[in-house]
Amino acid sequence: DQQVKQNSPSLSVQEGRISILNCDYTNSMFDYFLWYKKYPAEGPTFLISISSIKDKNEDGRFTVFLNKSAKHLSLHIVPSQPGDSAVYFCAASPSGGSNYKLTFGKGTLLTVNP
Amino acid sequence: NAGVTQTPKFQVLKTGQSMTLQCAQDMNHEYMSWYRQDPGMGLRLIHYSVGAGITDQGEVPNGYNVSRSTTEDFPLRLLSAAPSQTSVYFCASSYSGRGREKLFFGSGTQLSVL
Repeated sequence: DQQVKQNSPSLSVQEGRISILNCDYTNSMFDYFLWYKKYPAEGPTFLISISSIKDKNEDGRFTVFLNKSAKHLSLHIVPSQPGDSAVYFCAASPSGGSNYKLTFGKGTLLTVNP
Repeated sequence: NAGVTQTPKFQVLKTGQSMTLQCAQDMNHEYMSWYRQDPGMGLRLIHYSVGAGITDQGEVPNGYNVSRSTTEDFPLRLLSAAPSQTSVYFCASSYSGRGREKLFFGSGTQLSVL
């Protein structure tokens, strides 16, 4: 039973355009969400996070939007660059949760074409 | 900055063999954990530790043992390898494991069990 779903296994965009990666969750106890980026042959690295008390968090070219009523979050990358090509994992944590309670999605492979 | 170091990077085992995947961190993190990544499955927690001498099971602990004798090291032992344990293994750490801390991942160990 997948509690964090990334329904698009892959996404391809042109350099300079917007990339939108989606994530849905089913557990209403989740109140903190993170995105990790993973390059081939490397471990995941933290990208951006958002608490359920917010509906948007921005860090440079990366913005995460949270729609609690729809149990949906999205990561926007504007403008996309070839160096953004990686697998992006969405992760969710329940209220009062610790890192051992993190649930990861399956990941979305983003390819940014020059 | 070394961060989280995993060895070996690649390993091939025969069914029934045992081995230990090494993980060390130099950030004085209390929390350490092991994940496995399988195609189409995302990251799944195997075992975790919130401090020296304390370990607990994650989502998929069967077939694996861990111990935490020092803050720096958190080895993962496969006692009798099975083909189902073919996967990429990531070690991750954070300051305490509590609250909203980002995880720092190692670069992974690709394990094949024949």
